[in-house]
Amino acid sequence: QKEVEQDPGPLSVPEGAIVSLNCTYSNSAFQYFMWYRQYSRKGPELLMYTYSSGNKEDGRFTAQVDKSSKYISLFIRDSQPSDSATYLCAMRSGSGGYQKVTFGTGTKLQVIP
Amino acid sequence: GAVVSQHPSRVICKSGTSVKIECRSLDFQATTMFWYRQFPKQSLMLMATSNEGSKATYEQGVEKDKFLINHASLTLSTLTVTSAHPEDSSFYICSATTGLSDDEQFFGPGTRLTVL
Repeated sequence: QKEVEQDPGPLSVPEGAIVSLNCTYSNSAFQYFMWYRQYSRKGPELLMYTYSSGNKEDGRFTAQVDKSSKYISLFIRDSQPSDSATYLCAMRSGSGGYQKVTFGTGTKLQVIP
Repeated sequence: GAVVSQHPSRVICKSGTSVKIECRSLDFQATTMFWYRQFPKQSLMLMATSNEGSKATYEQGVEKDKFLINHASLTLSTLTVTSAHPEDSSFYICSATTGLSDDEQFFGPGTRLTVL
């Protein structure tokens, strides 16, 4: 069993739709939960960074963490064609120079105009 | 702030040659740098963790004699792929952190290596 499970998609939605992306994990040592956006042949770009269970909102993006269920989500409201990218969930154990980040496989999202 | 650069962005080499990839933190001191590899349609896989002035810690299955990592300064880490083979063709991405307890990793733009 992988430490982090993420549906690879692809996921196609019409412009303006609400997008829901999800990941599950099995390692209880994960303390920080992140969502990255990666455009083709580019490095990942941090979108959201959370520590505790609950919701965190930033503009059109909402990250949700449920530690009891080992489940995290990213919601994108009013999706735009420019949101088309691969979205990677990532989870971190440890801290500082001893941290280790484990990534999901990524979900490819296409927002159709 | 928190910009990480990589050089080169793309490299093509012949099988058997060595390739060096540089990772620089441009506006902060990176006590720790990480090297990842990403194959097509797969996620980022951690190869090694490098603390400035120390030997790198390699993940299981990553050959330390093949992937040489040097982190001689607080702003520069290099990854050298020695005797590269076509199966080493991949997207190599570095990240850097200041080493503070809650510090996130800042990622570089990646280097695409193609070994012919």
